[in-house]
Amino acid sequence: EAGVTQFPSHSVIEKGQTVTLRCDPISGHDNLYWYRRVMGKEIKFLLHFVKESKQDESGMPNNRFLAERTGGTYSTLKVQPAELEDSGVYFCASSQAGAAFFGQGTRLTVV
Amino acid sequence: AQSVTQLDSHVSVSEGTPVLLRCNYSSSYSPSLFWYVQHPNKGLQLLLKYTSAATLVKGINGFEAEFKKSETSFHLTKPSAHMSDAAEYFCVVSDPGGNNRLAFGKGNQVVVIP
Repeated sequence: EAGVTQFPSHSVIEKGQTVTLRCDPISGHDNLYWYRRVMGKEIKFLLHFVKESKQDESGMPNNRFLAERTGGTYSTLKVQPAELEDSGVYFCASSQAGAAFFGQGTRLTVV
Repeated sequence: AQSVTQLDSHVSVSEGTPVLLRCNYSSSYSPSLFWYVQHPNKGLQLLLKYTSAATLVKGINGFEAEFKKSETSFHLTKPSAHMSDAAEYFCVVSDPGGNNRLAFGKGNQVVVIP
């Protein structure tokens, strides 16, 4: 069974550009989460989807971040325009009734 | 709101000696607790979880953790460290009433000395 996969694994972009991160959850998992770890800080919750609906987006830092999960399958997280402080590792996780399974993360560097 | 405290951001242990990583939590509900591990250039891997069954939980790679409600603790232990245990370890709490949103500790970076 495939795990949670994230694309790309690394992304380096300039300040002001747009970046889109993708997450493919484990097939059949209704819950999909995005988390972020900024350098030197703890991993923080961004938002939670149940199928295609946003259940909780209280962790999204500002309106430059837009997450979607069309059809309740894969999810995208778009940052537009990117700022220096958006640099970090973005993790996606999925779950059904038990523990969450995480992807390898996307390391985003904004220069 | 739930939170997790992991002291000692960096922990050094000698190969073959016991590993102890401390975790204390606060939660408004009866929490679920987890330990995740991240090896270099890898994703977060679930080590073990506590979900209100047995208080002593056994996980993968010889790790175990004991849930102590009176101390609000969930410390992770392993009797004998192996070189492959070098990684970062996260204690995580999930409140069922909070849509299973996870709160992470700051992590323990474990170095194993040969």
